[in-house]
Amino acid sequence: AQTVTQSQPEMSVQEAETVTLSCTYDTSESNYYLFWYKQPPSRQMILVIRQEAYKQQNATENRFSVNFQKAAKSFSLKISDSQLGDTAMYFCAFSPANTGNQFYFGTGTSLTVIP
Amino acid sequence: EADIYQTPRYLVIGTGKKITLECSQTMGHDKMYWYQQDPGMELHLIHYSYGVNSTEKGDLSSESTVSRIRTEHFPLTLESARPSHTSQYLCASSESRGRALGLSYEQYFGPGTRLTVT
Repeated sequence: AQTVTQSQPEMSVQEAETVTLSCTYDTSESNYYLFWYKQPPSRQMILVIRQEAYKQQNATENRFSVNFQKAAKSFSLKISDSQLGDTAMYFCAFSPANTGNQFYFGTGTSLTVIP
Repeated sequence: EADIYQTPRYLVIGTGKKITLECSQTMGHDKMYWYQQDPGMELHLIHYSYGVNSTEKGDLSSESTVSRIRTEHFPLTLESARPSHTSQYLCASSESRGRALGLSYEQYFGPGTRLTVT
């Protein structure tokens, strides 16, 4: 069974500072994909960043980067230079390859950026 | 911004009513999904479809039903709404062309329908 764990229900960060959101997962699959999604209050869920498990290099998208530790089954999200618009729920998601694109989501971390 | 739409955005309805939540996407995605999400909580998959005339139940048991007669349209129906159905319902879609190559594409989400059953 695949599980995704986000152990930080709520976090806060000062504007312009850096914050790291944690995510761990459990799987016996060798080929899979990992995602971070952002869900702002009362707004649409959007993809922040994705990582292919077969790639050793950590994915980066502007101020967002991940620390992917495959052996430890860890996939944390780092947000640099936090902005007020980063306030949102963040969901970590796991999708095994070759299984029809089934997604498994964590319980989410509510991030508040403080001005 | 992904081209996936849900209507209505908000719905308040009485117990026992039949309702249909609409979901449409213009991206030509084969795969579509329905999730149930309580406020600030995780997403639970309730239905999914891999193509026209293909529907499956998800991990979370649901009294709702779905249909997939057209690629772009994936409505969810509750025959008799109850207060326990009060929740947010999110529709999503994704590509499937990469499946043979072992690829996995991200899901695109609609804005959601917030349902309240009184």
